[in-house]
Amino acid sequence: DTAVSQTPKYLVTQMGNDKSIKCEQNLGHDTMYWYKQDSKKFLKIMFSYNNKELIINETVPNRFSPKSPDKAHLNLHINSLELGDSAVYFCASSETGTMNTGELFFGEGSRLTVL
Amino acid sequence: QKEVEQDPGPLSVPEGAIVSLNCTYSNSAFQYFMWYRQYSRKGPELLMYTYSSGNKEDGRFTAQVDKSSKYISLFIRDSQPSDSATYLCAMSAGGNAGNMLTFGGGTRLMVKP
Repeated sequence: DTAVSQTPKYLVTQMGNDKSIKCEQNLGHDTMYWYKQDSKKFLKIMFSYNNKELIINETVPNRFSPKSPDKAHLNLHINSLELGDSAVYFCASSETGTMNTGELFFGEGSRLTVL
Repeated sequence: QKEVEQDPGPLSVPEGAIVSLNCTYSNSAFQYFMWYRQYSRKGPELLMYTYSSGNKEDGRFTAQVDKSSKYISLFIRDSQPSDSATYLCAMSAGGNAGNMLTFGGGTRLMVKP
C-alpha cells in the first residue's frame, strides 16, 4: 500500500513538449509538495500546497504549473520543456500544525529526461 | 554560498566502521534538524529528527546538533552494507515556515562487506 505514489516513474521527451506528473497520497496529510533533485542530488522545493491552497512558490519558471484538485492529489504540469528541466521530481506530503515534526513522506520520484 | 553545506563524498568504509556525516549551515533561525536516507532510485525517508541543540540516539544512529557552531552530525556505529545510501541533512525554522525544509546536497556512503 504505497503512501505517496507518483506517475509516471520515467519520462523521456523532446525539448518544447508539454508533460504532466501526477501525485497522490493516502496518508490523510493536508500539505503536499513538489521537490526537484538535480544530478548532484541537491533537493530543492518548488511548490507547497496546504488543503489545495498554494503556500510556497519558490523561484520556479512559470512554465511549471501545479494543480491540486483535492488535498490528496498534487499534479505538476510543465510546458515547453527545456534541457535544464531534466531531473528527478519528487512529490511529498506532511502533516501541519503544532505537532508536526517536519517529517516529509516522499514518493519514489519521476525521472524526467529532456532530449 | 549555499544555506546548508554537506560534503558530497562518496565516503567508502569497511563494514563495522563508525561513520561520521556532517552539515554546516548559515541560517541561525533553523531550529529543527533532520537526517534523511535515500537509497538509489528511491525517495528520501526520515532517519532522525532533532529539535534545537543536543544529541539523540536511535539504535546504531546518533544525531548531534551544535547550534552555536551551526554544525550537525550523524554518527552510524557498526555500519552495515545495508547502510549504503545517500544521507541528506535537512533543517527548518519551524513556526510559520512549517515544513519549509532546506536540504544539504547529500553525502553518498558506501559500506563494503
